[in-house]
Amino acid sequence: QKEVEQNSGPLSVPEGAIASLNCTYSDRGSQSFFWYRQYSGKSPELIMFIYSNGDKEDGRFTAQLNKASQYVSLLIRDSQPSDSATYLCAVNSGGGGNKLTFGTGTQLKVEL
Amino acid sequence: DVKVTQSSRYLVKRTGEKVFLECVQDMDHENMFWYRQDPGLGLRLIYFSYDVKMKEKGDIPEGYSVSREKKERFSLILESASTNQTSMYLCASSRTGMSPLHFGNGTRLTVT
Repeated sequence: QKEVEQNSGPLSVPEGAIASLNCTYSDRGSQSFFWYRQYSGKSPELIMFIYSNGDKEDGRFTAQLNKASQYVSLLIRDSQPSDSATYLCAVNSGGGGNKLTFGTGTQLKVEL
Repeated sequence: DVKVTQSSRYLVKRTGEKVFLECVQDMDHENMFWYRQDPGLGLRLIYFSYDVKMKEKGDIPEGYSVSREKKERFSLILESASTNQTSMYLCASSRTGMSPLHFGNGTRLTVT
C-alpha cells in the first residue's frame, strides 16, 4: 500500500510568519509531487508541483523535495489569514493513468 | 483555464436508488478521475480512465461503476446507493504523464 503521511494539525502560525507543512511518502519510485489547498466546503486547488530534488519557489510559496529522505515540504512566507485552509500533499508514483495518492491533509490556521 | 464541471453540487438519494454523477472537462485531457472525500480519510480514488472506453479500478471501486463514452465526459454510477456512500465526490482531469489534476467543484451526495 503506497502511503502519503501528513500531520493533521491544526498548525497555528501568527500573521506574517513562515508556515512549514510536511509530507512523507512510502514509495521510493514516486516521480512527481503536488501541493493542493482546500478551503472548507470547496474542492482542492493546485498550489505547487515539484519533480526534482531541491527547492522550487513561486511567490510566497516554496516546495522542497528530498527523494533520499522521501520527504516533501511546503513553506508559506508572510502567512496571511486567507492562507487558512487544509493543505493536501499528493504523490504520483508513475505508471499509467497519472494516478495520485493523497495525504489526509494538514489544517493551517493563520492568526491575527 | 481548465474547467471541470460536475453536474450537481448537492444530491439527496434514497437507499437502493441508482445514482449517476456526471463530469465534463473542456481541455481535451486524456485522464479523468473520480475520488470521494470523507473526514479523516482524505481523498480516495474510486476509478480512473486514461482513454475513451478505458477504465481502471482505484483503491475503493466496490459499489461503483464508471462510463467514458466520450473523451470529455466521465460518469460515476452507484448501482444501488447505500448510506455508507454518503460523501463528497470529486471529479478531476489531467493531461498524460505526470501533470497536475484539476478538480471540479464536487458533488455532496447524501443517501438516506
